[in-house]
Amino acid sequence: GQNIDQPTEMTATEGAIVQINCTYQTSGFNGLFWYQQHAGEAPTFLSYNVLDGLEEKGRFSSFLSRSKGYSYLLLKELQMKDSASYLCAVMDSNYQLIWGAGTKLIIKP
Amino acid sequence: GAVVSQHPSRVICKSGTSVKIECRSLDFQATTMFWYRQFPKKSLMLMATSNEGSKATYEQGVEKDKFLINHASLTLSTLTVTSAHPEDSSFYICSARMGTADEKLFFGSGTQLSVL
Repeated sequence: GQNIDQPTEMTATEGAIVQINCTYQTSGFNGLFWYQQHAGEAPTFLSYNVLDGLEEKGRFSSFLSRSKGYSYLLLKELQMKDSASYLCAVMDSNYQLIWGAGTKLIIKP
Repeated sequence: GAVVSQHPSRVICKSGTSVKIECRSLDFQATTMFWYRQFPKKSLMLMATSNEGSKATYEQGVEKDKFLINHASLTLSTLTVTSAHPEDSSFYICSARMGTADEKLFFGSGTQLSVL
């Protein structure tokens, strides 16, 4: 079956760095997405990885290893507004999105 | 965990025809369902929010007569794209929520609509 695993919840301190991991087993692979979602709002696109390696975009970076079925989202210089859920989603060979359950990130002062 | 089933996964239609997309919550009752549209590498754009038994609330700029939403039961919502045109080609995703606004959203796998 198809599966996306990510931690349920993480806690980090303002100003610090946090890494949210995502592992996947899917029928084929056509890219991995990371989204940020604040409660009651639509998810916001953060990154899209289809090739191995690290993509950096400001304070956020996303890494992909297709051979390991693994990705992580790295958030630097954490701010209180970064408290949100972070969703990992993989597009399979049929171009269907398989969603992880999301990681709730709590930022403490 | 909770499962949201969305069908069809892909649909190709001729311009001017209507297409219906279904979103079902398989193991929970969804008091609220949401419909999104995704453009490549862009954010999910919320189109409308539907509550069971009442009319959907559409986001600004979304034509309610073109995108008909029906939430007839606690486990099913449908999005009908009426008189589809090529510019309606997109990836449509639904999500469902059990209860209040701070409860988790569960997402469908999406529908790729291609209008020729």
